[in-house]
Amino acid sequence: GQQVMQIPQYQHVQEGEDFTTYCNSSTTLSNIQWYKQRPGGHPVFLIQLVKSGEVKKQKRLTFQFGEAKKNSSLHITATQTTDVGTYFCAGPRYNFNKFYFGSGTKLNVKP
Amino acid sequence: DAGVIQSPRHEVTEMGQEVTLRCKPISGHNSLFWYRQTMMRGLELLIYFNNNVPIDDSGMPEDRFSAKMPNASFSTLKIQPSEPRDSAVYFCASSSQGGNEQFFGPGTRLTVL
Repeated sequence: GQQVMQIPQYQHVQEGEDFTTYCNSSTTLSNIQWYKQRPGGHPVFLIQLVKSGEVKKQKRLTFQFGEAKKNSSLHITATQTTDVGTYFCAGPRYNFNKFYFGSGTKLNVKP
Repeated sequence: DAGVIQSPRHEVTEMGQEVTLRCKPISGHNSLFWYRQTMMRGLELLIYFNNNVPIDDSGMPEDRFSAKMPNASFSTLKIQPSEPRDSAVYFCASSSQGGNEQFFGPGTRLTVL
């Protein structure tokens, strides 16, 4: 069945360094969503990408959807301690209603 | 809007007891999702409803788990009997329509002793 794989599992960076997490699917995705979960919190929606090759930016965050719509990435420029948390990608299976979440990338930022 | 509301926030029970988790989705949302999160298995979709109808419950672990949505503003997830391996954080989420962003509740942290 369709799987959404995410790497790396953990990332420790010094404040100010860049960070990237990658999401890969075994099948073509109709769209992909990204969520952030702070420690002890709940997942919070960040963005949805729909078009092949789409790139969206939110301040220091850059989201990209691959041309084949099988992979996606989230890049954070000049990380801050407020970026700490786990970043999940989520891709739909079979229909729009059912999303499968990747395993997440846990980001730790050292001040 | 208050967002997705879940209760209780924490639940500690003994093995064999029945556990009922509750969720109130955001008003106007017609899709509701139940997730379970553990360190080992990550975030797993258990079941989702569309317009109060269960669409896919293939993620429900076994017959001990059941979910209902009697109306558009309330859903329950029941575990009977509970087991220690059910210990996890259970999230409820809702969305306005298929494919849209999901709004998660604060979760219920369940501990089964």
